[in-house]
Amino acid sequence: EVQLLESGGGLGQTGGSLRLSCAASGFIFSNYAMSWVRHAPGKGLEWVSAIRDSGGSTYYADSVKGRFTISRDNSRNTLYLQMNSLRAEDTAVYYCAKGRAGSSKWNFDYWGQGTLVFVSS
Amino acid sequence: EVVMTQSPATLSVSPGEGATLSCRASQGVSSNLAWYQQRPGQAPRLLIYDASTRATGVPARFSGSGSGTEFTLTISSLQSEDFAVYYCQQNNNWPLTFGQGTRLEIK
Repeated sequence: EVQLLESGGGLGQTGGSLRLSCAASGFIFSNYAMSWVRHAPGKGLEWVSAIRDSGGSTYYADSVKGRFTISRDNSRNTLYLQMNSLRAEDTAVYYCAKGRAGSSKWNFDYWGQGTLVFVSS
Repeated sequence: EVVMTQSPATLSVSPGEGATLSCRASQGVSSNLAWYQQRPGQAPRLLIYDASTRATGVPARFSGSGSGTEFTLTISSLQSEDFAVYYCQQNNNWPLTFGQGTRLEIK
């Protein structure tokens, strides 16, 4: 059974940092692209960042580029999101999402339950 | 950035009836489009990918169509568990983008 378990959310300060983790199990982690998607209160889903299976390529939404860094440790089956220079508008539930196989790797067939990040001054 | 626009924002339908949700891309995305369902307090669930392929375990009452800039999600004979928010997502261009969602509510 595929499982994605996020951790690391909580209260962050404006201008501060948080690091999210996503522990994956039930599939060969190193074979799949992964992403972070967030859901701010009262808003729709927003894709945040993605990383290829090998970790060799990463992608970011303009809203987080230069502030957030996605990475993965395939030996630990874990995905990370380093969040720096936090802003109030980063407040959201952050989901870890597994990419599908093949050409639709940037669609997400499994999601974690999410971790809440609240940014306050 | 490819802007995805969903309509309507809210759709009120009676159980047992059908529903049609629309998604328009600001530029062509070929068939690189997915649909997700999100129930309150839950993570999104993949319904459709490649515009018209149902994901594993998705009931046959869900169907997707379209290509280029115009896409449709059709749900026949709505069940109580289908009342949720639905999002489209394009994966043809970076950055990946979602529509703002359509809320499907019980009439």
